[in-house]
Amino acid sequence: QVQLVQSGAEVKKPGASVKVSCKASGYTFTGYYMHWVRQAPGQGLEWMGRINPNSGGTNYAQKFQGRVTMTRDTSISTAYMELSRLRSDDTAVYYCARVAAYSSSVGYYYGMDVWGQGTTVTVSS
Amino acid sequence: DIQLTQSPSFLSASVGDRVTITCRASQGISSYLAWYQQKPGKAPKLLIYAASTLQSGVPSRFSGSGSGTEFTLTISSLQPEDFATYYCQQLNSYLFTFGPGTKVDIK
Repeated sequence: QVQLVQSGAEVKKPGASVKVSCKASGYTFTGYYMHWVRQAPGQGLEWMGRINPNSGGTNYAQKFQGRVTMTRDTSISTAYMELSRLRSDDTAVYYCARVAAYSSSVGYYYGMDVWGQGTTVTVSS
Repeated sequence: DIQLTQSPSFLSASVGDRVTITCRASQGISSYLAWYQQKPGKAPKLLIYAASTLQSGVPSRFSGSGSGTEFTLTISSLQPEDFATYYCQQLNSYLFTFGPGTKVDIK
């Protein structure tokens, strides 16, 4: 079945970096953009950016520009999200999500149809 | 960047009630809007894409409408498993921003 399996929980000190992995299975990894979304405790969903697994091209939310790097390894169908210079307000659950493209008469529409289980990142001194 | 607002932020309802949640975009996004349901401790689940198209496997009591800047998610008869937080998301530009969410609680 189609699934995304993320790496385990992390505890980091302020100023450190964290790298979260997202392993895809059950579909062609290079056929779908992968996005990263985070959710701070008790808060809403925050879109961080996306990677085209085919080309490696990325787009990041302005808020994370300069601190986030999204990469992929097509040989093992895995996407990665690395966040540097961590602060306490980066404490959150980080999700990867596949974006499906739905064809219509006027073009394509999109939706995040498959999500990873989430990775809790705690930043604390 | 396109901003989304949702109303209400919180609503209390009973099983069987008809529930409507509104999402407004700061600029026109055609029908590039999706709705998600999230339960505590779980990843979000896609309910609707293209503003009104039900994702496969989603019960027909969920429906979406709207285009441009104003959208609605309607649950025709609230079921116990529908108590959750609902988010809209714009997918008009590659900056796929989310609305702030609407929590649906039991009255």
